[in-house]
Amino acid sequence: EDKVVQSPLSLVVHEGDTVTLNCSYEVTNFRSLLWYKQEKKAPTFLFMLTSSGIEKKSGRLSSILDKKELFSILNITATQTGDSAIYLCAVVWGNYGQNFVFGPGTRLSVLP
Amino acid sequence: EAQVTQNPRYLITVTGKKLTVTCSQNMNHEYMSWYRQDPGLGLRQIYYSMNVEVTDKGDVPEGYKVSRKEKRNFPLILESPSPNQTSLYFCASSFSRVETQYFGPGTRLLVL
Repeated sequence: EDKVVQSPLSLVVHEGDTVTLNCSYEVTNFRSLLWYKQEKKAPTFLFMLTSSGIEKKSGRLSSILDKKELFSILNITATQTGDSAIYLCAVVWGNYGQNFVFGPGTRLSVLP
Repeated sequence: EAQVTQNPRYLITVTGKKLTVTCSQNMNHEYMSWYRQDPGLGLRQIYYSMNVEVTDKGDVPEGYKVSRKEKRNFPLILESPSPNQTSLYFCASSFSRVETQYFGPGTRLLVL
């Protein structure tokens, strides 16, 4: 029944580590996949992915989508304590792109 | 400043007392949406609106009503709140349903 699954649900690392967050989905008429970062407030947009194999990068963060295997990964290199947050994956799907569903999120804690 | 605003930000109420959470955006966005966020469940869509006078149910619409009489406003109405509606609520907007959404600051609701 779950349309968007994220793993791990929780992760604790030390500063400088590299992390990979996973998002898999199972929907019909996929339109796009989005990554958000949520600290103690509203989610803020990171990436939107619509095509397979094209990496999106922003500083130490990068993300890629595999539409054949129905998953995406979010990589964070050289993690910092400011990266501590919940990372949310969301998928837009449906004949008219009318459905927008979030995964449960991955809670990342970066220790100094 | 482009933004989505919600009011109130915090609300404590009692079972059965009707309440309205307002949402307003100043970006001329067509698509607006309401989500609730609960621990371990991520964000779940309550209702969405693709334009004025066009609204539709999301994944968890029971116990909620919405209206979209003006483009900028999308209030969420709880006619008879119950304790299981205690949650963190986010309003979001975008130009179209597949675009990245901008989130409001959130409304934390406690129903006793």
